[in-house]
Amino acid sequence: EAGVTQFPSHSVIEKGQTVTLRCDPISGHDNLYWYRRVMGKEIKFLLHFVKESKQDESGMPNNRFLAERTGGTYSTLKVQPAELEDSGVYFCASSRDRVYTEAFFGQGTRLTVV
Amino acid sequence: GIQVEQSPPDLILQEGANSTLRCNFSDSVNNLQWFHQNPWGQLINLFYIPSGTKQNGRLSATTVATERYSLLYISSSQTTDSGVYFCAVEVHYGQNFVFGPGTRLSVLP
Repeated sequence: EAGVTQFPSHSVIEKGQTVTLRCDPISGHDNLYWYRRVMGKEIKFLLHFVKESKQDESGMPNNRFLAERTGGTYSTLKVQPAELEDSGVYFCASSRDRVYTEAFFGQGTRLTVV
Repeated sequence: GIQVEQSPPDLILQEGANSTLRCNFSDSVNNLQWFHQNPWGQLINLFYIPSGTKQNGRLSATTVATERYSLLYISSSQTTDSGVYFCAVEVHYGQNFVFGPGTRLSVLP
């Protein structure tokens, strides 16, 4: 069984450009989460999908970030326009159920904004 | 909100040494997981351990939920164990993890 897969593994873009990160969860996992670790700080929650619906997006930093999960399968996280402080590692996670189950994390996308 | 603390913040070991990393949390939790972020930034699942003890090779973990702490044991450390170790807890249903600040481990050859 494939794990959580994220693309690209690394992205370098200029300030003001747009970047789209992709996450493919484990097949059959309805719950999908985005987290990020910026500037060596703690890993912070961004948002949570249940299938295609946004269950909780309280961690999204501002309206430059847009997450989608069309069809309840893979998810994308778009940053437009990117700022320097967006640099960091973006993680995606998925789980089968909402409670009492293990969450599996992807390998992350390292985003560098120059 | 819940507070998650990890100690020590930094740890330097000689290859072959053993170590214990600690995670304290300020409230009851539904879930606790340990992760290893390697030098390339990848986050690796280590243990799903809301309570009890688990072992996987040279690593083992124990969570005492009633006393609100978890321990990660690394035995016979190797240079590839270097990186940052995070514990993360889920307080409310929905698995929005709250991560601790991490323990940065450096294993020297």
